[in-house]
Amino acid sequence: KQEVTQIPAALSVPEGENLVLNCSFTDSAIYNLQWFRQDPGKGLTSLLLIQSSQREQTSGRLNASLDKSSGRSTLYIAASQPGDSATYLCAAPLNTGTASKLTFGTGTRLQVTL
Amino acid sequence: DTGVSQDPRHKITKRGQNVTFRCDPISEHNRLYWYRQTLGQGPEFLTYFQNEAQLEKSRLLSDRFSAERPKGSFSTLEIQRTEQGDSAMYLCASSRIGATYNEQFFGPGTRLTVL
Repeated sequence: KQEVTQIPAALSVPEGENLVLNCSFTDSAIYNLQWFRQDPGKGLTSLLLIQSSQREQTSGRLNASLDKSSGRSTLYIAASQPGDSATYLCAAPLNTGTASKLTFGTGTRLQVTL
Repeated sequence: DTGVSQDPRHKITKRGQNVTFRCDPISEHNRLYWYRQTLGQGPEFLTYFQNEAQLEKSRLLSDRFSAERPKGSFSTLEIQRTEQGDSAMYLCASSRIGATYNEQFFGPGTRLTVL
């Protein structure tokens, strides 16, 4: 059974800082690794998806890395802005040959202050 | 492409009542997933459909829960005899067979409160 852990559970940084969110998973036989953003009371927005054979993906100020052997992924946010305040979730579905149901961590709640 | 939609967005009910939620996936998406998210937790998988066939159910899906996807289009999730522990956000996602990485796209969710 896949278990996903995210550290820290909450983070508060001043605007402009660079920051790193961590995600670890117990089973390295993953199909891919996805990072999502969730605003309070809302659904999930996909940020980045890293295929199991890839090491990193970039989108704007976001960069996600994947190290399958150590069971870790990081999400790097550059030059943080108050609009980045949200909960960030990672999901590491197992490569079971089926539809790859997502197994989520509990998330990191980020607050970017002025 | 209008995205995944869910209805209603919020539902308040009394314990013991039945509730039904609807999810409309992105058109041409063959797979549809239901997840449940309680406060402070990540979403947990409940069940998924490929076209109209329900192919997997989590042990979280007790016999009070039933999901359908008639004709392989929209899906409904019904909870019978609701309990306070059913209070959660119910999220729906869809994906397309053969799409790159089987990326799932989520709807806005239905927030259920059981009094």
